[in-house]
Amino acid sequence: GAVVSQHPSRVICKSGTSVKIECRSLDFQATTMFWYRQFPKQSLMLMATSNEGSKATYEQGVEKDKFLINHASLTLSTLTVTSAHPEDSSFYICSARDAGPGGGYTFGSGTRLTVV
Amino acid sequence: QQQVKQSPQSLIVQKGGISIINCAYENTAFDYFPWYQQFPGKGPALLIAIRPDVSEKKEGRFTISFNKSAKQFSLHIMDSQPGDSATYFCAASRAGTASKLTFGTGTRLQVTL
Repeated sequence: GAVVSQHPSRVICKSGTSVKIECRSLDFQATTMFWYRQFPKQSLMLMATSNEGSKATYEQGVEKDKFLINHASLTLSTLTVTSAHPEDSSFYICSARDAGPGGGYTFGSGTRLTVV
Repeated sequence: QQQVKQSPQSLIVQKGGISIINCAYENTAFDYFPWYQQFPGKGPALLIAIRPDVSEKKEGRFTISFNKSAKQFSLHIMDSQPGDSATYFCAASRAGTASKLTFGTGTRLQVTL
């Protein structure tokens, strides 16, 4: 089945620094990837839709200058949290939809970001 | 409207019992309805999914029932096991690889011995 690899699984960074999270589709090409944020005991909140070769589409209320998304190839999307602050601490998850017959969404294993 | 409403928020079921989680949607353009299982610290994993052209789909102990006219779908977990204890999310999307997935609010299931 379709596999999405997300890295790193955990990261701790200091306030003011930037952190990059990678999301790779391992066995299929993904022209579109999705980035979610999840707070404890809550549902997944879509942050942005990452489009290969073009600008990402951000959901309302998401700061595009803080959460930089790059989708440079059909198998890799990155999310960079810039000038991180403690309130950016969260669980970030990426996803991609397989264009095959199943058409399902596959999720990465998530990245736990802690900003100290 | 893009909402997907999910209930109950939490559920406690005895081992061997049936767990039932319900979802309702508003957007009639949705054509893909998956259920995801999520363990703490992990990403969601697809359990089972259905499209609106069928009313029921079964995979092992997991069954989706789909009522197109009522715009409702539900997940039934038969013979619930302690290992099923997790958070379950229903979701819905339109066709196309660029279509975003709209999630329900989640149900925390606890299966007791």
